[in-house]
Amino acid sequence: QVQLQESGPGLVKPSETLSLTCTISGGSIGSGGYYWSWIRQHPGKGLEWIGYIYYYGSTYYNPSLMSRFTISIDTSKNQFSLKLTSVTAADTAVYYCARWEMASTTFDYWGPGTRVTVSS
Amino acid sequence: DIQMTQSPSSLSASVGDRVTITCQASQDIKNSLNWYQQKPGKAPKLVIYDVSDLQTGVPSRFSGSGSGTEFTFTISSLQPEDIATYYCQQYDDLPITFGQGTRLEIQ
Repeated sequence: QVQLQESGPGLVKPSETLSLTCTISGGSIGSGGYYWSWIRQHPGKGLEWIGYIYYYGSTYYNPSLMSRFTISIDTSKNQFSLKLTSVTAADTAVYYCARWEMASTTFDYWGPGTRVTVSS
Repeated sequence: DIQMTQSPSSLSASVGDRVTITCQASQDIKNSLNWYQQKPGKAPKLVIYDVSDLQTGVPSRFSGSGSGTEFTFTISSLQPEDIATYYCQQYDDLPITFGQGTRLEIQ
């Protein structure tokens, strides 16, 4: 059973860089057929897709968001990561990592989410 | 970006009721639509994919239909455990976008 788990700081100061990691267990991040995604949810709001990365490093970001996001992958650690620079209070949200399965065209596995608050 | 508009935003119904949620896409997305269920404090969970295919393990009281720009999600007989927020999601074009969600409550 594939499991995803987000990790990172729960509190970040304005203007700092947020770094989150998603660790995969029960499967290999290096196997093809999946895009590894980040999705966020502002308090009481809907789901916002940030972007995804393929195992060999190609990325796609939501162009509707400011270009402050960077997604990277470390196949040796079975992890992928999200960096968000110059955070503001508007970046306060629950951040989810999720697996997009290309065959079924679905987000089939999600992490439980990690709550990030931007505050001084 | 393709905008996904769900209606209603919230819905109150009784156990046993038939519940219907609609999702409208801002352009033709063919059959590129999934539905997710999100319970409070939890990650979303896939319920229906490709408009009408039931995810493994999901009860048959859930169903979906539609094509193009108009889609429908139905629970044939509402159960207490169905209380959640439901999201449609299109994947016809990047960026992937979700509807704003429909919060379902028990009357």
